[in-house]
Amino acid sequence: EVQLLESGGGLVQPGGSLRLACEASGFTFNSYAVRWVRQAPGKGLEWVSVTSASGGSTYYADSVKGRFTISRDNSKNTLYLQMNSLRAEDTAVYYCAKERRLGEFSFVGPDYWGQGTLVTVSS
Amino acid sequence: QSALTQPASVSGSPGQSITISCTGTSSDVGGYNYVSWYQQHPGKAPKLMIYDVSDRPSGVSNRFSGSKSGNTASLTISGLQAEDEADYYCSSYTTSSTLAFGGGTKVTVL
Repeated sequence: EVQLLESGGGLVQPGGSLRLACEASGFTFNSYAVRWVRQAPGKGLEWVSVTSASGGSTYYADSVKGRFTISRDNSKNTLYLQMNSLRAEDTAVYYCAKERRLGEFSFVGPDYWGQGTLVTVSS
Repeated sequence: QSALTQPASVSGSPGQSITISCTGTSSDVGGYNYVSWYQQHPGKAPKLMIYDVSDRPSGVSNRFSGSKSGNTASLTISGLQAEDEADYYCSSYTTSSTLAFGGGTKVTVL
């Protein structure tokens, strides 16, 4: 059974930093791209970042480029999101999601999602 | 990155069929057969209902079906049931190797 368990969310002041983690199990982690998707309170889904299966390639939404860094440790089956210079508009539930298709550069969309971790940016 | 356009809400009575549209451009929906649909109940994570325009993951009811014409994809729910009341989101692969989401559609079962 595929499981994705996010952690690291919480309350942070504007301008602060936070590091999210997503521990994966139930599939061959190093064979799939994985991504972060967020959902602001009462709003829709927004793609944040994705990393290729090896971690060698990464992509970011314009809204977080230069502030967020995605990384993965395939030896620990864990995905990370380092978030710096946080803004109020970054307040959201952050989901970790596994890409559906096997492959290094398969970015066609996720099949499994974690339960999410809430990040609140407020003074 | 552009968002895909979905109606804000769709409603129907039990047993009826409803269709949700998802309009993009030739750079996303129209250019690739990588459209997915997700169902999200309040406080829950999204669940994959349709992938590659019209394929259903195992375990998803065959009351859910997908299609595409040009730059518009559609999700049809037939035999509407109370448990289908939820938010539905479409997504599509894009030319810039990113993923675009629709704004979401709230389905209400009357």
